[in-house]
Amino acid sequence: QQQVKQSPQSLIVQKGGISIINCAYENTAFDYFPWYQQFPGKGPALLIAIRPDVSEKKEGRFTISFNKSAKQFSLHIMDSQPGDSATYFCAATYSSAAGNKLTFGGGTRVLVKP
Amino acid sequence: GAVVSQHPSWVICKSGTSVKIECRSLDFQATTMFWYRQFPKQSLMLMATSNEGSKATYEQGVEKDKFLINHASLTLSTLTVTSAHPEDSSFYICSARGSAGGTQYFGPGTRLTVL
Repeated sequence: QQQVKQSPQSLIVQKGGISIINCAYENTAFDYFPWYQQFPGKGPALLIAIRPDVSEKKEGRFTISFNKSAKQFSLHIMDSQPGDSATYFCAATYSSAAGNKLTFGGGTRVLVKP
Repeated sequence: GAVVSQHPSWVICKSGTSVKIECRSLDFQATTMFWYRQFPKQSLMLMATSNEGSKATYEQGVEKDKFLINHASLTLSTLTVTSAHPEDSSFYICSARGSAGGTQYFGPGTRLTVL
């Protein structure tokens, strides 16, 4: 079964600190790795995404680091703010006849303390 | 960015009734739509994938006769929970994708409570 394992399950960080969330995958055919941010009672929103031909991608305070050989990728939230408090999901997918289904990690609840 | 809407945002119904949830892509044509279910503090579980004009593909363990999916146009998909029971209470989220390999954009979700 295709899996994406995400850790930690929850994270508390002080305002201004760095939040780091890690994901590991098994299927080497995965070729697109998005991160989603979800606030309570809302749908997930695409935050940032990376493809395996790039080792790092940065958008504002959010950075994805990608290690193809280790089959791992991580999200770094720099200068974390209370408004970043949310649940973050990593995901992976690949082009296939099955329709590019996303395989989600279990999620990480991030709490940024002021 | 692409916008996906869902209606209603929440619904309460009596056990045994059917509930229809709409998912619309507002500013793009969605060739594929996905329906997810999410329990509190858990990840998203894919229920089914639907392509416009064809039958939905259901994930293993999802009852196709209970969760009816229709994707009649490139901007609208509906999920009907038939003969709903309290165990069907959940947060239902749709997503839409414009092209193969494209990004999935999620709707805001629908909270279903079955009494």
